[in-house]
Amino acid sequence: EDQVTQSPEALRLQEGESSSLNCSYTVSGLRGLFWYRQDPGKGPEFLFTLYSAGEEKEKERLKATLTKKESFLHITAPKPEDSATYLCAVYGTSYDKVIFGPGTSLSVIP
Amino acid sequence: GAVVSQHPSRVICKSGTSVKIECRSLDFQATTMFWYRQFPKQSLMLMATSNEGSKATYEQGVEKDKFLINHASLTLSTLTVTSAHPEDSSFYICSAEGQGGNTIYFGEGSWLTVV
Repeated sequence: EDQVTQSPEALRLQEGESSSLNCSYTVSGLRGLFWYRQDPGKGPEFLFTLYSAGEEKEKERLKATLTKKESFLHITAPKPEDSATYLCAVYGTSYDKVIFGPGTSLSVIP
Repeated sequence: GAVVSQHPSRVICKSGTSVKIECRSLDFQATTMFWYRQFPKQSLMLMATSNEGSKATYEQGVEKDKFLINHASLTLSTLTVTSAHPEDSSFYICSAEGQGGNTIYFGEGSWLTVV
């Protein structure tokens, strides 16, 4: 069965302190791995889609990478406005549905 | 870019009544839409997959007679919570698969409070 885990559960960074969030997954056939940002009380906001191992995508201070077993979301020089929960999701061919990880709650302290 | 709209954003209903939540894809056609439920500080739990013109596929443990899903057109799916009870109070989120299945876009979510 498709599974997605994320680590750490929560991360507290000083402004400007770069770090990475991890998403580990098991899926029989990967159609896409998604990263989302979610602010409290709101729906997830799309960040990236990755399709195959070795792929990388960047957007402002965020960079997502993908291997056959995991994905990383690198945050470079974060700012307080980057504070949010970051969700990883996998869209597999076996079950034809999107499975979400539990998320990483990121807090960036000024 | 693609936008998914949900309505209402917040709704309060009395116990025993039914409430409908709409999910619309605004600038693309979505043959597949997903409905999720999210409890505080938890991740999204998939409730059902909605395909245009056919019956929804419900996840294990989700009561299909309680959570009625209709996907009548390529831009609209609805979730009706029937005979709502306080334990149904939650944040409900829909998403739509973009053309080609490359991206999943989410609505802003709907807060349901049953009193």
